[in-house]
This record gives sequence, C-alpha cells and structure tokens, in this order.
Amino acid sequence: DARVTQTPRHKVTEMGQEVTMRCQPILGHNTVFWYRQTMMQGLELLAYFRNRAPLDDSGMPKDRFSAEMPDATLATLKIQPSEPRDSAVYFCASGPPRVSYEQYFGPGTRLTVT
Amino acid sequence: AQKVTQAQTEISVVEKEDVTLDCVYETRDTTYYLFWYKQPPSGELVFLIRRNSFDEQNEISGRYSWNFQKSTSSFNFTITASQVVDSAVYFCALSEGQGGSEKLVFGKGTKLTVNP
Repeated sequence: DARVTQTPRHKVTEMGQEVTMRCQPILGHNTVFWYRQTMMQGLELLAYFRNRAPLDDSGMPKDRFSAEMPDATLATLKIQPSEPRDSAVYFCASGPPRVSYEQYFGPGTRLTVT
Repeated sequence: AQKVTQAQTEISVVEKEDVTLDCVYETRDTTYYLFWYKQPPSGELVFLIRRNSFDEQNEISGRYSWNFQKSTSSFNFTITASQVVDSAVYFCALSEGQGGSEKLVFGKGTKLTVNP
C-alpha cells in the first residue's frame, strides 16, 4: 500500500530556529505539493513541483520559506528563521503523471514555534 | 479566481440520520475537477471522490452519495444512515486545468459530529 511519508511528524522549536520538513512522495508520482493547515486560513497551497521543477510557489513567504526537490524521492520545506505564526500542520501530497488529479496526502508535520 | 464555499461550519447529528454537506464552487474554467476529502480526528486527509466538469452523473458508494449540479455550481455530499465513525472534518476542493495533477483549492471544511 503506497503512501506519502513525512518526517518529522511533530516538531517543537523556538522562534528564530531553522526547521526542515521532509516528504517522500509515492514512487512514480511526478507532482509534489506542500500545503499548510491552520485554524484561521484552513488548507492553503504553499508550493508545488512537477518533475522536480517548481511550478508555483506563490503561496509561500519567500523571505523565510524555501522548497526544493533534491531528487525524485525527496521534497523538502525549510523555514528560516521560524516564527510563532508558522505554527501549523504542513502536509505534503503527491500526484501521478496521468490526468487523474488525485492527490495523495501524507500524515502531516505538526509544527509548533514558541 | 477559484473559490470553494462550505457554508456549514459544523453539523451535529444522531447516528442513523442522513446528513448532507454542501459545497458551492466558483471557477471561470470549463474544465475542472471537484473533490471531497475526509479528515478524521487522527489528522490525515483521505481522498473520497473526484468528479470532472463534464460528468454530472450522481455517484453512490455505499452510504456515500454525491450530487453534482453545474447549473448551481454545487457538489453536495450525502451520508446515509450516518455512523459515529463518520465523525470528521470534510473538505470540498476544486482543481482547474488539464495535463496532470494540479493544485487544489479547498473550502474551509465542515465538521461533522455523529453522536451515538
């Protein structure tokens, strides 16, 4: 049963620290998404990649957030420096190359910045 | 611009009642996809259904059914004979375009509580 994996599942850090979240998409999926979920904003897209190339990162605060895909099996989302308002659940999702639009979500990383 | 509205923030029902979750969307594209996801208390997002803009047939899967009406830009979700395990937050989402997986725009979600 193929799944998207995310690490860490929980992260507590102090304001100003760097945070790195990792995502392993389902093998064979060529599109990777990063979403953030907060009580106030709900689920919002931060960035997404196709074939490792960034397609849209307009939802991401550029001054502190960065997203990369070093290879087809790993996507990373970094926050530097982190702020309390970054506290949220960060979901990674992956989608297959066929025209199906089904996105499969990972379990999420719950980030708390104190 | 794309927009998804789930007007019902919270719904509470008693087990075995039927419940309908409303979803209204806005898009200027003629080709789009609509989705429902379930988020149980454990937090993961579970895919339930995808419909494309050219297929207005209603769909039934067990106790779940979906009613897609382009004329009213709605894609409503009905759970028949609800069960406690149906308690979750349900999200409606919209995706535009062709060519592979594209970004989803989510509604704010409807929290469903099914009481025994």
